[in-house]
Amino acid sequence: EAGVTQFPSHSVIEKGQTVTLRCDPISGHDNLYWYRRVMGKEIKFLLHFVKESKQDESGMPNNRFLAERTGGTYSTLKVQPAELEDSGVYFCASSQTIRQGWETQYFGPGTRLLVL
Amino acid sequence: AQSVTQLGSHVSVSEGALVLLRCNYSSSVPPYLFWYVQYPNQGLQLLLKYTTGATLVKGINGFEAEFKKSETSFHLTKPSAHMSDAAEYFCAVSDDNQGGKLIFGQGTELSVKP
Repeated sequence: EAGVTQFPSHSVIEKGQTVTLRCDPISGHDNLYWYRRVMGKEIKFLLHFVKESKQDESGMPNNRFLAERTGGTYSTLKVQPAELEDSGVYFCASSQTIRQGWETQYFGPGTRLLVL
Repeated sequence: AQSVTQLGSHVSVSEGALVLLRCNYSSSVPPYLFWYVQYPNQGLQLLLKYTTGATLVKGINGFEAEFKKSETSFHLTKPSAHMSDAAEYFCAVSDDNQGGKLIFGQGTELSVKP
């Protein structure tokens, strides 16, 4: 069974440009999470989808970030326009249907974003 | 609010020595606790988790952790380090009120010397 995949693995863009990150969760997983790790800091929650609905987007930094999950399958996270402080590693994770705190989340390898 | 503190951003041990990575948490409700490991250029992989019941939890690759409510700790141990254990380790907490959201510690980079 394929794990969580993320594309691209690396992205280098200039300040003010737009970048779109993609996450493909494990097939059949209703829950999809985005997290971010800024260099030297802890991994922080961004948002949570249940199928195509945003369940919790309390961690989104500002309105330059837009996440979508059309059809409840893959998800995209768009940053527009990108700022220097957006640099970091963006992780996606998925879990099955039970939205309980003990459920295991399966993580992708992350997208390393560098904004110059 | 929940929080996690990992003591020591870098830990170095000799091959064959005990591995001890410290994690303390703060939670106003019964927590679920996790240890994840990240090898270079890979995603986070679950090592073990505590939900309820037995407080000593065994995970993959010979790791285990003990939930100590009185000390609000969930330290990760392995009796004998192997070179392949070199990685970054993350402690995380969640509960039934978070919708599955994980709160992570800062991470601990483990180095293993030959």
